[in-house]
Amino acid sequence: DSGVTQTPKHLITATGQRVTLRCSPRSGDLSVYWYQQSLDQGLQFLIQYYNGEERAKGNILERFSAQQFPDLHSELNLSSLELGDSALYFCASSGVSGIGTDTQYFGPGTRLTVL
Amino acid sequence: GQQLNQSPQSMFIQEGEDVSMNCTSSSIFNTWLWYKQDPGEGPVLLIALYKAGELTSNGRLTAQFGITRKDSFLNISASIPSDVGIYFCAGQLGSSGDKLTFGTGTRLAVRP
Repeated sequence: DSGVTQTPKHLITATGQRVTLRCSPRSGDLSVYWYQQSLDQGLQFLIQYYNGEERAKGNILERFSAQQFPDLHSELNLSSLELGDSALYFCASSGVSGIGTDTQYFGPGTRLTVL
Repeated sequence: GQQLNQSPQSMFIQEGEDVSMNCTSSSIFNTWLWYKQDPGEGPVLLIALYKAGELTSNGRLTAQFGITRKDSFLNISASIPSDVGIYFCAGQLGSSGDKLTFGTGTRLAVRP
């Protein structure tokens, strides 16, 4: 158990709909990262938040948005869903390791299926 | 998005055999990491490498950070059935809290 929790585990929805994925980081971790894993693109970085503020952006579509709340949990919002958005969405969190690099610990993921 | 080149794509080996896989990049990374992913689970960190040329072990696993900073390899010795899964390399550019760029993955199957 990495200490990172994600809900829901599975999500099935229709095209055009909007969904929200939730992530609770490990206790004390200030950074939250979102990744998308699909068969054709592999694991891709979407966005990072640090202590409530957006820190880095990757290949995140404009239809997708995220935020990190004062209690440090994060939500990834996916709107106007398309079939190609079907994927595993992972949240990872990191804190200060003291080694100079923050190890990212991954949650169990949310499997999104768009029909 | 960018993906690191990882080889082989898949391996099917006999229990007890050693396994080698590698990862190459067109650009430099300051940190290399190796993760394992089991079906339906998130990636789990196996080994982290922070210095070019560094060789690090974790039980039966040994990984090296290439001196060019553009590659890394992972060895698994005396494989066992629970080694089955997908192994991913990941590169990290920054020294702290930077995004991970993942490899394409190596799927390992172990025959008892």
